[in-house]
Amino acid sequence: EPEVTQTPSHQVTQMGQEVILRCVPISNHLYFYWYRQILGQKVEFLVSFYNNEISEKSEIFDDQFSVERPDGSNFTLKIRSTKLEDSAMYFCASNRQGARGNTIYFGEGSWLTVV
Amino acid sequence: AQSVTQLDSHVSVSEGTPVLLRCNYSSSYSPSLFWYVQHPNKGLQLLLKYTSAATLVKGINGFEAEFKKSETSFHLTKPSAHMSDAAEYFCVVSAQTGSSNTGKLIFGQGTTLQVKP
Repeated sequence: EPEVTQTPSHQVTQMGQEVILRCVPISNHLYFYWYRQILGQKVEFLVSFYNNEISEKSEIFDDQFSVERPDGSNFTLKIRSTKLEDSAMYFCASNRQGARGNTIYFGEGSWLTVV
Repeated sequence: AQSVTQLDSHVSVSEGTPVLLRCNYSSSYSPSLFWYVQHPNKGLQLLLKYTSAATLVKGINGFEAEFKKSETSFHLTKPSAHMSDAAEYFCVVSAQTGSSNTGKLIFGQGTTLQVKP
């Protein structure tokens, strides 16, 4: 069964460093998402991406965050200068038809620890 | 705005007994609702979804959920718990702009299901 894959599974980084989290969405999917879950809190929407541009972003997704689909298969989340509060599990997700294709498939997540 | 509230942060059952995980939703329009499960060190897996078809939705691993508009509820049930059901369960609603889904999901706080031998 096709799946969303994410790398790395776990990353530890120093505060102020740049981090790139990588995702390979399901191959025929067109809509891509990043969510995050701070330990003990809800899963929160960060950003959605379609047709090579951001279609929606949350208040959390400030100028420190960016997304990119550099090569037609990978979908990346970059945090420019990490803060302690960026420590969380980051989930990549995708679906085929956006709002009309409601099933969103998630990857296994990337644990980011900022020290 | 849409939201979901999971009424229990932690549920403990014995193996072989029924499971009930409660979820209430808030939505101005007919919502799309989902249950996702997260096993330890695993990603989020879709259990089932409701998108305005049959109100009783059957999912994987013997789970089902009933959409009750009058009660704004979408509780998850399973007749007989198995040890492998121990996990975190999330009730989720699809965000809407007007009457259209945006494709973005709004998660509940999660319910940890413990299954005792």
